[in-house]
Amino acid sequence: EPEVTQTPSHQVTQMGQEVILRCVPISNHLYFYWYRQILGQKVEFLVSFYNNEISEKSEIFDDQFSVERPDGSNFTLKIRSTKLEDSAMYFCGTGKEVDTQYFGPGTRLTVL
Amino acid sequence: GQQLNQSPQSMFIQEGEDVSMNCTSSSIFNTWLWYKQDPGEGPVLLIALYKAGELTSNGRLTAQFGITRKDSFLNISASIPSDVGIYFCAGLKRSGSRLTFGEGTQLTVNP
Repeated sequence: EPEVTQTPSHQVTQMGQEVILRCVPISNHLYFYWYRQILGQKVEFLVSFYNNEISEKSEIFDDQFSVERPDGSNFTLKIRSTKLEDSAMYFCGTGKEVDTQYFGPGTRLTVL
Repeated sequence: GQQLNQSPQSMFIQEGEDVSMNCTSSSIFNTWLWYKQDPGEGPVLLIALYKAGELTSNGRLTAQFGITRKDSFLNISASIPSDVGIYFCAGLKRSGSRLTFGEGTQLTVNP
């Protein structure tokens, strides 16, 4: 069964550094999402992406965040200057139909 | 922001028992999804509900979309040890938009 994949599984970075989290969606899926989950808390929406543009973003998704689908395959989340509070699990979600979202295994981001 | 109230927060049951958990909201959702998350992994979709009143099963799991569109429940029958994990409800207000997640129900099954 096709799966969403994410790399790396764990990223450790220094505060202020840039990180890029990568996702390979299920092929033929058209809708892409990023969510994050701070340890012990619920999953929170960051951004949705369709037809090569952002369709919705949350208040968390400020100017430090950006997304792109550079090669029609990978879907990336960039954090320009990481802060301590960015430490979380980041989940990529994809969907073929607009009403269903499947998630990858996540990238654990640790900001020191 | 939108809130989904999920209960109970945690459950400790014996293998073989049935389990029920639910989510309620003060506002309407047009789609309800139920996910299971194992430690250190991503949420795995269990059941999707698209119509008010809909009752859908997936093996030992049954979920219902409330008539008012403000609630949903998930039942697990004859629980087994591998049912252990955190179960999340998630609501979608309109197609392609953000999922709003509940706080999760931590399920522990004692063999």
